[in-house]
Amino acid sequence: DVKVTQSSRYLVKRTGEKVFLECVQDMDHENMFWYRQDPGLGLRLIYFSYDVKMKEKGDIPEGYSVSREKKERFSLILESASTNQTSMYLCASSLGTGGITDTQYFGPGTRLTVL
Amino acid sequence: AQKITQTQPGMFVQEKEAVTLDCTYDTSDPSYGLFWYKQPSSGEMIFLIYQGSYDQQNATEGRYSLNFQKARKSANLVISASQLGDSAMYFCAMREGRSNTDKLIFGTGTRLQVFP
Repeated sequence: DVKVTQSSRYLVKRTGEKVFLECVQDMDHENMFWYRQDPGLGLRLIYFSYDVKMKEKGDIPEGYSVSREKKERFSLILESASTNQTSMYLCASSLGTGGITDTQYFGPGTRLTVL
Repeated sequence: AQKITQTQPGMFVQEKEAVTLDCTYDTSDPSYGLFWYKQPSSGEMIFLIYQGSYDQQNATEGRYSLNFQKARKSANLVISASQLGDSAMYFCAMREGRSNTDKLIFGTGTRLQVFP
């Protein structure tokens, strides 16, 4: 079974803090993704990575950065957290076949609150 | 324009009954894949079923089946013999073949509640 883990289920931070969200997958997947989920908006892609040290912007990258130093680990960084970044953050990974059948598998999510 | 539309914010179904969750999509790409995910209150997105645009038959996985109507651009999820544990949010998603990002485009979800 694919296992995607995220470092925290719940996180509370203050405005202006630097925040790290960690994601680890154990299936040697090439692709990793960060989404945020807000009520009524579904999931929106923040960043993704298709290889170590490679990253691509998604639909809403503003205010975020990412790091992928090792294949199994993909970090989302909020350089200076703001209240509008209060959200559910979901990490996913996929094999990276490049085909339409490539299924993404998700972690349990991190619910971040910025005060 | 929305690429994935789920028009039912919430649905109720009695235990052991079947329920259909609607999903319509919009793409001009002839090659695409459609996915359904379940998200219980715990938060994890669980992959349920996949349908490819070139698949001749509707996908089935246990109690889940996909009613794929290509001409109507719809990919409705059918859950047979509903169980209390089926209560969750359900998301429809699409990947377009021409996309070089492997990005999934999600709908806004349908909350299903199963009652005894």
